[in-house]
Amino acid sequence: QVQLVHSGAEVKKPGASVEVSCRASGYTFTDYFIHWVRQARGQGLEWIGWINPDTGDSECAQNFQARVTMRRDTSTSTVYMQLARLTSDDTAVYYCARPSYCSTASCPIAYWGQGSLVTVSS
Amino acid sequence: SYVLTQPPSVSVAPGTTARITCGGSKIGSKNVHWYQQKPGQAPVLVISYDADRSSGIPERISGSNSGITATLTISRVEAGDEADYYCQVWDSNSDHVVFGGGTKLTVL
Repeated sequence: QVQLVHSGAEVKKPGASVEVSCRASGYTFTDYFIHWVRQARGQGLEWIGWINPDTGDSECAQNFQARVTMRRDTSTSTVYMQLARLTSDDTAVYYCARPSYCSTASCPIAYWGQGSLVTVSS
Repeated sequence: SYVLTQPPSVSVAPGTTARITCGGSKIGSKNVHWYQQKPGQAPVLVISYDADRSSGIPERISGSNSGITATLTISRVEAGDEADYYCQVWDSNSDHVVFGGGTKLTVL
């Protein structure tokens, strides 16, 4: 079965960077895009971007373009999302998620990881 | 950038019908997906491509999309339907995913 397993919770100081990882299993890693979505406590879902694990190509929401780097490691079926210059507004649960049965970023998102809590605090 | 607008909250009595709307420019020409999220859990895809129910989703949950509004309809609402619901589209102009702000469904 499809599984997306996140790295653990992180506590960072303002101005620092954080890297969250998501290890995929149960399917061919390079066949499906991965999205990153975050959710602050009590707030809605905010899309961060997608990465194509096959090519390494990625695309980010405008709000994140200057601060987010996404990469993948095909040898371990893991995707990474690094967010730089953290502020308290970045405190949130960060999810990786995979589209359903079709292999483009535009497909509905059927599989979600458990999320990684990132806390930014001085 | 494309914007989806949802009411922050909808409240209904058990056994009645809840309708959660998602507004956007010419949304009827886009594929709309709906997610249900309960506290402490990841979102679950309930409706894709406007009206296709995911496996295991009861028939009393349905979707429609036309013009400037997509609607998630939950008939014979139960206490277990209480959750946050999000609509989502793909913006082909930017190759970006767009989520609505979410609607909290309260069962009175």
